[in-house]
Amino acid sequence: NAGVMQNPRHLVRRRGQEARLRCSPMKGHSHVYWYRQLPEEGLKFMVYLQKENIIDESGMPKERFSAEFPKEGPSILRIQQVVRGDSAAYFCASSPRQRQETQYFGPGTRLLVL
Amino acid sequence: EDKVVQSPLSLVVHEGDTVTLNCSYEVTNFRSLLWYKQEKKAPTFLFMLTSSGIEKKSGRLSSILDKKELSSILNITATQTGDSAIYLCAANTGNQFYFGTGTSLTVIP
Repeated sequence: NAGVMQNPRHLVRRRGQEARLRCSPMKGHSHVYWYRQLPEEGLKFMVYLQKENIIDESGMPKERFSAEFPKEGPSILRIQQVVRGDSAAYFCASSPRQRQETQYFGPGTRLLVL
Repeated sequence: EDKVVQSPLSLVVHEGDTVTLNCSYEVTNFRSLLWYKQEKKAPTFLFMLTSSGIEKKSGRLSSILDKKELSSILNITATQTGDSAIYLCAANTGNQFYFGTGTSLTVIP
């Protein structure tokens, strides 16, 4: 039973480019959470999605960031016009049902903006 | 503002020592408190606590929640070098999980 998959594991972008981060939840899980971890800081909640729905995006920056979780395929976290401050590790976690409190984390995508 | 605070920020101990990690939370609509261990990759789940005063144990690790004090502790007895990691706690409010910055534990042989 494969765990949560994230790709790419490492992503390098120049300022102004777009970054697309993918997360495939565990089999049978329909809820996905995205977190950002800046150096020396804890995990910060960004967005909580269910298939085809954004449930809570209160942790997402208002501009340049968007997330989706389509009916088919992985969840995507998209960052447009990246800036150096976007450099961080981005983790996604999945859970099998709404309000299931045990999340399973993916290995993370480490984004470096040059 | 909802927040979770962990202490100490870092800890260095010798193998065999016992350590206590602290987590305090101030969140609305608290549902549960979770502990994770993070090595050089994704956090791995340790415990979920919902009831006050009931200790959860897994081997040398144990944890307990105090809802009156809005806090939790994670104990590790007879530490080993493999326990070296960042230990994160998170408060769940339903839709969101608020994480602390973690306690970095280093166990020296």
